[in-house]
Amino acid sequence: SQELEQSPQSLIVQEGKNLTINCTSSKTLYGLYWYKQKYGEGLIFLMMLQKGGEEKSHEKITAKLDEKKQQSSLHITASQPSHAGIYLCGADTDSWGKLQFGAGTQVVVTP
Amino acid sequence: NAGVTQTPKFRVLKTGQSMTLLCAQDMNHEYMYWYRQDPGMGLRLIHYSVGEGTTAKGEVPDGYNVSRLKKQNFLLGLESAAPSQTSVYFCAGKTRQGNTGELFFGEGSRLTVL
Repeated sequence: SQELEQSPQSLIVQEGKNLTINCTSSKTLYGLYWYKQKYGEGLIFLMMLQKGGEEKSHEKITAKLDEKKQQSSLHITASQPSHAGIYLCGADTDSWGKLQFGAGTQVVVTP
Repeated sequence: NAGVTQTPKFRVLKTGQSMTLLCAQDMNHEYMYWYRQDPGMGLRLIHYSVGEGTTAKGEVPDGYNVSRLKKQNFLLGLESAAPSQTSVYFCAGKTRQGNTGELFFGEGSRLTVL
């Protein structure tokens, strides 16, 4: 089965600083999803990437999928307290829409 | 629209008791999923359904049963709860649009088995 490894497991960043989270797959990624989760809440969809070299941005968050389609990164520019939470990457596993998830990266933003 | 709604939000059970988690969606999702989330392990798929009247096993199905009698509802049952089933359970839905597309998640149900 496909395994997704996220790094780092957690990080603490000062407000205003940039941060990057990585998601690495043991197999080629055909659909890579980034979600955000606040403690005690459900997952909120951020972005989806499909093509090698693809890059998408929304507000201060940018996600990229490498050319080989085995690694994705999520970059947050000038972090704010609202960026705190757990970020999870998920990958398509088959045609039934099932997603395999990484273990998540906990982000803490300090004043 | 309510989206994907899970009930109950919290529940405490004793070992051996049974219970059912209800997932209801008003987004016309053909596909529905039950995941569990445990610390350090991300989300793991328990069971899923690709349409009314159909169910299939996911990665960690043991100890759980599911039913999808109506398109809008996906039920997750624990016949005899065990402490290892203490977890946060998430339901998700998806429309059939090719092979990809985002999942819409409920807010989760926190279950503790004593």
